[in-house]
Amino acid sequence: DAGITQSPRHKVTETGTPVTLRCHQTENHRYMYWYRQDPGHGLRLIHYSYGVKDTDKGEVSDGYSVSRSKTEDFLLTLESATSSQTSVYFCAISDEGSHEQYFGPGTRLTVT
Amino acid sequence: GQSLEQPSEVTAVEGAIVQINCTYQTSGFYGLSWYQQHDGGAPTFLSYNALDGLEETGRFSSFLSRSDSYGYLLLQELQMKDSASYFCASANQAGTALIFGKGTTLSVSS
Repeated sequence: DAGITQSPRHKVTETGTPVTLRCHQTENHRYMYWYRQDPGHGLRLIHYSYGVKDTDKGEVSDGYSVSRSKTEDFLLTLESATSSQTSVYFCAISDEGSHEQYFGPGTRLTVT
Repeated sequence: GQSLEQPSEVTAVEGAIVQINCTYQTSGFYGLSWYQQHDGGAPTFLSYNALDGLEETGRFSSFLSRSDSYGYLLLQELQMKDSASYFCASANQAGTALIFGKGTTLSVSS
């Protein structure tokens, strides 16, 4: 295992509430990523980080923000959750921001 | 933009060989990766092709043709445990993140 955990693993929240998902790694990898996975859409990149305090947007970043204050932690925040953000969220890490990524176990988020 | 196209479903029987194709359109190209994901699990890395040709890892092989913007994953001696979703992926233009295809669901029957 690549030493990557996500918390919480499951969450149900109401529309309009803020939600923060946490990704924690013990591998000291430079790059960290947040994806969402929905039926028929595969894995879509939300945001990623290439170092502490260095982040960039992915293809579906609207409605999401991220922060990385320590190498080991990458937080994904939904400022005001909407039902369209119901999804499974995966965090991933890699050494060089390229082809081999290690994924966390995922967080299943339901927005009611 | 950047996109990767792959079939949504493939079915096969145990012991058979199956090929999952992936065609891509990218602004810059750093190579093609393949990931496997079992139902309810996380994606796991299978293989990577930076150059044209075939890469073999046990029962799985991956092929890339840069001139055709095309690659495939070849699974031999299929087993029931190979039933999963398979994703091709390629780096974004900056080479800093991966863009994934929508995935191919492989169902292996006995």
